[in-house]
Amino acid sequence: AQKVTQAQTEISVVEKEDVTLDCVYETRDTTYYLFWYKQPPSGELVFLIRRNSFDEQNEISGRYSWNFQKSTSSFNFTITASQVVDSAVYFCALSDSGGSYIPTFGRGTSLIVHP
Amino acid sequence: GAGVSQSPSNKVTEKGKDVELRCDPISGHTALYWYRQSLGQGLEFLIYFQGNSAPDKSGLPSDRFSAERTGGSVSTLTIQRTQQEDSAVYLCASSLPTGLAGGKQETQYFGPGTRLLVL
Repeated sequence: AQKVTQAQTEISVVEKEDVTLDCVYETRDTTYYLFWYKQPPSGELVFLIRRNSFDEQNEISGRYSWNFQKSTSSFNFTITASQVVDSAVYFCALSDSGGSYIPTFGRGTSLIVHP
Repeated sequence: GAGVSQSPSNKVTEKGKDVELRCDPISGHTALYWYRQSLGQGLEFLIYFQGNSAPDKSGLPSDRFSAERTGGSVSTLTIQRTQQEDSAVYLCASSLPTGLAGGKQETQYFGPGTRLLVL
């Protein structure tokens, strides 16, 4: 069975602070995929990143970076120098063959960036 | 290009009525998903269509829920005899499968959702 845990329900920071959103997953598969999505107040989920289980290289995209660690089953997301526009709910998701590759989403972390 | 579109944006209905929600996937995307998002919750998978294959209905919560996809493009999610607990945002996503596992691991692109309120 697959499971995704986002233990942080809500995070509040002041603009320009760095913030890390945690994602811990459970799977028995060796082949799986991890995703992060952003859901701004408008409601539409926006794809941020997709990572397969064979690629543990961390990735940086502008102010966003992701730390994938199989040893701890974590796929954490860091926003550097946060901005008000980063305020949104962020979802981590996992798809593996145990779930017939239907993604399982975490419950989301609401990030509030204050000016 | 055009993204995934959904209609209506908002729907208010009375308990016991039927509702139909529509999804237009990205052109060329053969896979289509429906999810439900209740207030403050994550996404709950409902149903998955891939090309001409039989849909994966494993997430439908009851037989009041059904969905179809005509011509491999537009999809309609129907909820019969709506209940108050059906109130949620219904999200549609599409993807272009290119690899293994029927492509279900491919990146999904989401529509803006339909906010359903059952009174």
